[in-house]
Amino acid sequence: GAGVSQSPRYKVAKRGQDVALRCDPISGHVSLFWYQQALGQGPEFLTYFQNEAQLDKSGLPSDRFFAERPEGSVSTLKIQRTQQEDSAVYLCASSWVRGEGTQYFGPGTRLTVL
Amino acid sequence: KQEVTQIPAALSVPEGENLVLNCSFTDSAIYNLQWFRQDPGKGLTSLLLIQSSQREQTSGRLNASLDKSSGRSTLYIAASQPGDSATYLCTLSGSARQLTFGSGTQLTVLP
Repeated sequence: GAGVSQSPRYKVAKRGQDVALRCDPISGHVSLFWYQQALGQGPEFLTYFQNEAQLDKSGLPSDRFFAERPEGSVSTLKIQRTQQEDSAVYLCASSWVRGEGTQYFGPGTRLTVL
Repeated sequence: KQEVTQIPAALSVPEGENLVLNCSFTDSAIYNLQWFRQDPGKGLTSLLLIQSSQREQTSGRLNASLDKSSGRSTLYIAASQPGDSATYLCTLSGSARQLTFGSGTQLTVLP
């Protein structure tokens, strides 16, 4: 595709359930970023991949959050035992090289935890 | 830790008006500053990117400035249109390359 795609676009989970959010970056993009955006706030950095290597996971809020990019393209953000405070929009972005120039964002996945 | 503040949080103007959105930041050691637009249900769209060595960038009716010494950036929108209604986000890229965002300015341009 021409842009970054994310699936599902909307996810409703019951408290305690595990969820998996998928990101398909632009083909050939080396860098991939995950951000969390709470309602009324700007996005906040979660984690960063360069190819398949997770170089920075300093923004992950707890050990319930796990991200992977095993083949250096598609990435999955997994949240275990979801809590209400995990409700947010999760944005994925990709760029050609490590942060140089523009990051291209996907439409996001809106997660609601009941 | 970099902190980014955007003022005002919300702005409503009549069509045709020129307007300025403000962004301030605490750490001047940046690689670049970028303004994004966010429409409801859609991803972020990059508007302008200013490298650390630059002072401004222009694209059409948009002009963004960067003053690292004072920790400020402005986004100027000329002759606003209803289609400009969106949330505008100021972001900074530091040494770790991830983006630090402000909370955004929600702009409404009234026809």
